[in-house]
Amino acid sequence: EVQLVESGGGLVQPGGSLRLSCAASGFTFSNYEMNWVRQAPGKGLEWVSYISSSSGSTIYYADSVKGRFTISRDNAKNSLYLQMNSLRAEDTAVYYCARDRKYQLLSAYGMDVWGQGTTVTVSS
Amino acid sequence: EIVLTQSPATLSLSPGERATLSCRASQSVSSYLAWYQQKPGQAPRLLIYGASNRATGIPARFSGSGSGTDFTLTISNLEPEDFAVYYCQQRSNWPPITFGQGTRLEIK
Repeated sequence: EVQLVESGGGLVQPGGSLRLSCAASGFTFSNYEMNWVRQAPGKGLEWVSYISSSSGSTIYYADSVKGRFTISRDNAKNSLYLQMNSLRAEDTAVYYCARDRKYQLLSAYGMDVWGQGTTVTVSS
Repeated sequence: EIVLTQSPATLSLSPGERATLSCRASQSVSSYLAWYQQKPGQAPRLLIYGASNRATGIPARFSGSGSGTDFTLTISNLEPEDFAVYYCQQRSNWPPITFGQGTRLEIK
């Protein structure tokens, strides 16, 4: 079964750090581009970060997290990570990892596999 | 940054009816638009990619159309399990990847 399982969320004080993990199974993880997407309580979806497949040499961030968050991957461990530093109250959200599927004939993308999410709460 | 505006914010319909959800982009995204469904307490699920292509396992009652700046998700013959929040997402000019604010489809 194709699956993504996030972990590492919790309660952290403003200015603190947290590292999220996403364990992949059921597919060849190294072949896929990956994303982190978050959802604040009662709000919509917000893309956070992207990492390319294989070596992960291409990385992008939303402006709201640039300079504070770092995405990485370990293909040997079939895992995706999000290191979050200098956390703010507005970072409070459920964080999802999502697999990118590129539909080659159309050059179109879709996030076709999602984890169940891990909750990050930033509060004093 | 491309802004996606979804309408209506809430749509109240009955099972068996047809739902029409709109997504408008602030500039052309060609056909690089996807639709997602999210139920309470669950992760989003990919419905449509490339504006009009159903993802694996998505029932035929879901269809997408449009290109450029105006897109539509149509759900024909609503089933009880279709009542959820729907998001559009663009991958034309990225980063950033952007989502619409969502349309809540509720039972009338």
